[in-house]
Amino acid sequence: EMQLVESGGGLVQPGGSLRLSCAASGFTISNTWMHWIRQAPGKGLVWVSRVSADGSITTYADSVKGRFTISRDNAKNTLYLQMNSLRTEDTAVYYCARLTYVPGTPGWGQGTLVTVS
Amino acid sequence: DTVMTQSPLSLPVTPGEPASISCSSSQSLLHSDGYNALNWYLQKPGQSPQLLIYLGSNRASGVPDRFSGSGSGTDFTLKISRVEAEDVGVYYCMQALHTPLFGQGTKLEIK
Repeated sequence: EMQLVESGGGLVQPGGSLRLSCAASGFTISNTWMHWIRQAPGKGLVWVSRVSADGSITTYADSVKGRFTISRDNAKNTLYLQMNSLRTEDTAVYYCARLTYVPGTPGWGQGTLVTVS
Repeated sequence: DTVMTQSPLSLPVTPGEPASISCSSSQSLLHSDGYNALNWYLQKPGQSPQLLIYLGSNRASGVPDRFSGSGSGTDFTLKISRVEAEDVGVYYCMQALHTPLFGQGTKLEIK
């Protein structure tokens, strides 16, 4: 089954760190940009970060710049988000996503909940 | 910075009736290659977002043909020709020309 599966979420205190992972199975994500998008409880979708196919280019939303680091391991077909200096306002479900449409393959994972409290 | 504005934010619809959602961008989303970098997503309750329309007007695979996207430049529309119960959820437009940016979302509910 083709899927994107996020993991690594959980409860953390303000100022703490977490590392999220997004593993792709059944298809490759190594040839495309990948993104992290988050959704605070009851709120809309907010783009967080992106990384180029080879990992050489990264971009961040101003709200996380300097605190979050996106990376990827194409050999493992996996995307990461290192989150440091977490704040209560970072509480959200974090989705990994391939926003470039490729027919027949998943674009979004199921999400992982990060609670900063 | 680009601003994406959706309307309405709430959309009660009777089954079988049409529905329309507007999305306006503060900057043109027309790429120099001639396509519009605008996607539409539906997030059903308790689920991840799913792609409905890409590049302004192209239906993703498996999306019913009652969904259609139109528009160019700064103004776009998602239309549902006949709403069904399974269409409930929050609809988002997203600009993909620069760093991705989502509209506020439109919550479609069944009357």
